[in-house]
Amino acid sequence: EVQLVESGGGLGQPGGSLRLSCSASGFTFNSYAMSWVRQAPGKGLEWVSGISDSGGSTFYADSVKGRFTVSRDNSKNTLYLQMNSLRAEDTAVYYCARWRTREFEYWGQGTLVTVSS
Amino acid sequence: DIQMTQSPSSVSASVGDRVTITCRASQGISSWLAWYQQKPGKAPKLLIYAASTLQSGVPSRFSGSGSGTDFTLTISSLQPEDFATYYCQQGNSFPRTFGQGTKVEIK
Repeated sequence: EVQLVESGGGLGQPGGSLRLSCSASGFTFNSYAMSWVRQAPGKGLEWVSGISDSGGSTFYADSVKGRFTVSRDNSKNTLYLQMNSLRAEDTAVYYCARWRTREFEYWGQGTLVTVSS
Repeated sequence: DIQMTQSPSSVSASVGDRVTITCRASQGISSWLAWYQQKPGKAPKLLIYAASTLQSGVPSRFSGSGSGTDFTLTISSLQPEDFATYYCQQGNSFPRTFGQGTKVEIK
């Protein structure tokens, strides 16, 4: 069974940093691209970032480009999202998802990031 | 960026009803269109990809159609567990974008 478990969310200061993690199990992690999708409270879904199976290619939404960095450790079956220069508009539930590059096949339960002073 | 527009924003329906949700892309996306179901407090679930291919394990009452700019999700006979919000998403170009969602409510 595919399982994706996010962690690392919480309260972040404007201008501060947080690092999210997504622990994967139930599939061969290094064979799949992965992605982050977020959902602001009461709002719709917004794709944030993606990374290829090897980690050699990364992709970002313009809203986070230059501030967020996606990475993965295939030896630990873990996906990361380093979030710097946080803004209030980054407040959202962040989901990691197994990514077939066209669509998001499996999703974690999400972790809430709140940016506030 | 490709904008995805869903209609209606919400629909009230009864168990057993046929429900149709439309998604329009601001430019052609071939058949790179996916549909998701999201229940309150839960992660989205992939229902359909490549416009019309049912994801494994998804009931056959769900179907998708369309290509280019106009797409449809149909629930042939609404079941109690289908009351949720549905999102379309284009996979043709970056950034990947979603529709604003359609809430299917109990009539």
